[in-house]
This record gives sequence, C-alpha cells and structure tokens, in this order.
Amino acid sequence: DAMVIQNPRYQVTQFGKPVTLSCSQTLNHNVMYWYQQKSSQAPKLLFHYYDKDFNNEADTPDNFQSRRPNTSFCFLDIRSPGLGDAAMYLCATSRAEGAEQFFGPGTRLTVL
Amino acid sequence: AQTVTQSQPEMSVQEAETVTLSCTYDTSESNYYLFWYKQPPSRQMILVIRQEAYKQQNATENRFSVNFQKAAKSFSLKISDSQLGDTAMYFCAFLNAGNNRKLIWGLGTSLAVNP
Repeated sequence: DAMVIQNPRYQVTQFGKPVTLSCSQTLNHNVMYWYQQKSSQAPKLLFHYYDKDFNNEADTPDNFQSRRPNTSFCFLDIRSPGLGDAAMYLCATSRAEGAEQFFGPGTRLTVL
Repeated sequence: AQTVTQSQPEMSVQEAETVTLSCTYDTSESNYYLFWYKQPPSRQMILVIRQEAYKQQNATENRFSVNFQKAAKSFSLKISDSQLGDTAMYFCAFLNAGNNRKLIWGLGTSLAVNP
C-alpha cells in the first residue's frame, strides 16, 4: 500500500545533541510537510517543500532545518534540541499544495 | 485571517449511538476545502472526510457524514453507529484554495466511545 513512513518512531536525544528525523513516501506526492505536535494540541506547521522549493513558516526557529534530496525522502534536522522541542513530529504529503494531506505515524522525540 | 473553532473540547457517546462534533470557521474566501481528521491514541493522523466549499452536497464516508452550512460557516461531523475504535481526537481543518495554502486547524475534540 502507498504510504508515508517515518523513522524512527521514537527518538531520545540529549539536550543540545543534533538529531535527524526521516520521512519517506511511496505516494509520489509533490508536497511534503513537517509538523510539530505537542500534547493535546493541534499540529503546528514548521515548513513544507513543493517539489524542491522550500517554504519556511515565519515562526519556525532557526534550530529546525530540512532537506529533501529527492521526491521520496524528506529529513528534519534539529541542530541543538532544547527541552521545549520534545514533541511528536509529523510528516505529511499531498499531491499538490491545495490537496488533502496524508500523514505518517509520527516520531516522538524526547529530549533529556 | 482564517480561524477554525471547535467548541467542544471533550465529548463522549455510547457505543452504537450517534454523535455530532461541531466546527465553525471564519473566512472571507469563497473557494476552500474543509476536512475532518481523526487522531487515535496511537497518534497516526487519519483523514476522515473532505468537503469542497463549492459543492452543496454534504460529504459522506460510510458512518461519517458532515453538515456543511456555508452561509453559517459551520462544518459539523456526524458519526453514526459509534464504535470503540472511533475513540480519538478529532480535528477540523480549513484549507484555502487560493493563496497561503496551509491547513488551519481547530483545537480538536476528544471523543470517547463507551461500551
């Protein structure tokens, strides 16, 4: 089945130690999104790629970076994780910017 | 700016009964999409139903249906014959079809289906 895959499902890192989260998709969608979701809150969009075009949200901290080396893969890099970055990170894809989004299972990040 | 309001933080329903979750939104746009997403305790966000603003007919997906009232800017979700697996957080979301195409989320409604 076509799907959005996130690895790892659970990630533990230390304060200040860089971490990379991975997302891949078999849907061949043009758009990929990264969201941060904290407990009992709605997802917060960090950035998205339309093909290779990177779109950063104005309030996304510089600590968060992203790479999309090809259509199928997208990475979220957190350069110096703080305690406040502990959250669920959701990857989503859509066929186009105005189309519905399909989500991966998420990566739960713990910062010690 | 668009906003989405879900006025019911928590709801509960007995198994096999019907429940309606409310959602209102504010926009000056005429062309947009509305969604209901479900997020069970496992945390995978799942698309439940999609409504295009230019379509008057209410969307339906099996036991899930919406009551879309464009003039009132209301988009409620009805779940019929509730099942234990429907226990989840439900998010209403708005997507502008024009500029600034990002999902605007409501705060969610936590639904518990009781046996």
